[in-house]
Amino acid sequence: GAVVSQHPSRVICKSGTSVKIECRSLDFQATTMFWYRQFPKKSLMLMATSNEGSKATYEQGVEKDKFLINHASLTLSTLTVTSAHPEDSSFYICSANSPGKIWGYTFGSGTRLTVV
Amino acid sequence: SQQGEEDPQALSIQEGENATMNCSYKTSINNLQWYRQNSGRGLVHLILIRSNEREKHSGRLRVTLDTSKKSSSLLITASRAADTASYFCATLAGNQFYFGTGTSLTVIP
Repeated sequence: GAVVSQHPSRVICKSGTSVKIECRSLDFQATTMFWYRQFPKKSLMLMATSNEGSKATYEQGVEKDKFLINHASLTLSTLTVTSAHPEDSSFYICSANSPGKIWGYTFGSGTRLTVV
Repeated sequence: SQQGEEDPQALSIQEGENATMNCSYKTSINNLQWYRQNSGRGLVHLILIRSNEREKHSGRLRVTLDTSKKSSSLLITASRAADTASYFCATLAGNQFYFGTGTSLTVIP
């Protein structure tokens, strides 16, 4: 149980286009989801906390207009990288809290974004 | 599943005691990282140990890595109530992250 599905796993896009990444909780409802970014050989960096039905909370230094987060339902949060540039190329991963589970959090398998 | 397993799933100790959490993984790795997550908050990176290292210290944290057994342990010494959180190991294999299932630690004041 407590599976988080992230899609797509890999995406290549042209500079200037937008890319949407989906994070779905498959067998539980997630009121809160987290979006992370990982630079090469670095640890994960929290970008934002996505709350169902309300605006996401962004970490300092993360551009809200560039990384649009929508959490319209209890099972889906989306991250849209708008007007992507090569420096946005990274590994993005989501996680969701799973109420009732003693360890509480489940991670998606990540999305490798390459902007060319 | 590509995720590792963590043991125990839940741990409850008295303040001042040591807490030990274990992590096993499945693939060859570049490094292994431990993260902490407080309830309702995002991950906080604690410590990274490379595949050619066997032990690493940071403050009250001690991490060991046994690549032959594909396992790691995180020891928190002299625990405090503020250490109450979920702890995750994550392995970097190639360019893919794999997370363990986490240990929920409760430190009782």
